[in-house]
Amino acid sequence: QKEVEQNSGPLSVPEGAIASLNCTYSDRGSQSFFWYRQYSGKSPELIMSIYSNGDKEDGRFTAQLNKASQYVSLLIRDSQPSDSATYLCAVSRDDKIIFGKGTRLHILP
Amino acid sequence: GAVVSQHPSWVICKSGTSVKIECRSLDFQATTMFWYRQFPKQSLMLMATSNEGSKATYEQGVEKDKFLINHASLTLSTLTVTSAHPEDSSFYICSGGRGVSQPQHFGDGTRLSIL
Repeated sequence: QKEVEQNSGPLSVPEGAIASLNCTYSDRGSQSFFWYRQYSGKSPELIMSIYSNGDKEDGRFTAQLNKASQYVSLLIRDSQPSDSATYLCAVSRDDKIIFGKGTRLHILP
Repeated sequence: GAVVSQHPSWVICKSGTSVKIECRSLDFQATTMFWYRQFPKQSLMLMATSNEGSKATYEQGVEKDKFLINHASLTLSTLTVTSAHPEDSSFYICSGGRGVSQPQHFGDGTRLSIL
């Protein structure tokens, strides 16, 4: 089982709709969870971090964490064409941080 | 927010040349920094973990004598690609944070092209 799994996509979402990105992880001791966005040819940039169960909202973005199910998700409301990118889930514990391979999101104008 | 500065952003050089890439944390101290490589349309691949004051930890399959990492201070890690060849051409990215459990901040990356 991969340590951090994401559907590679592409995930196509109409402009204005909600995009839902999912990530599962295998290490139950994981403590910190992150979502990054990476545009083609650029380095990743941090969108959100979440550390405890529940939802965390920041503007159009909501991160959701469920440690019992080992599941973390990212919702993007009112999707815009500029949200088209690859979204990376990252999970850390102690001295290790593991990235998923990313989900390509395509917002349809 | 935390800033990581990576230089150079683009390097083109002849086969056999050694290339040094610098990664600096500008407003925080990083005992650990990470080096990644990314080929076109592929996912981020961790190469090594750079530890301040000690040897780097390399991922399986990454040649430590080929990719020399030095983390001599809490704000600077360097990656040297020694005797680079065309197959080393890639996008190299570093990251650092106030701790591994804290958000990682990425440099802008270095695009390396070996002729």
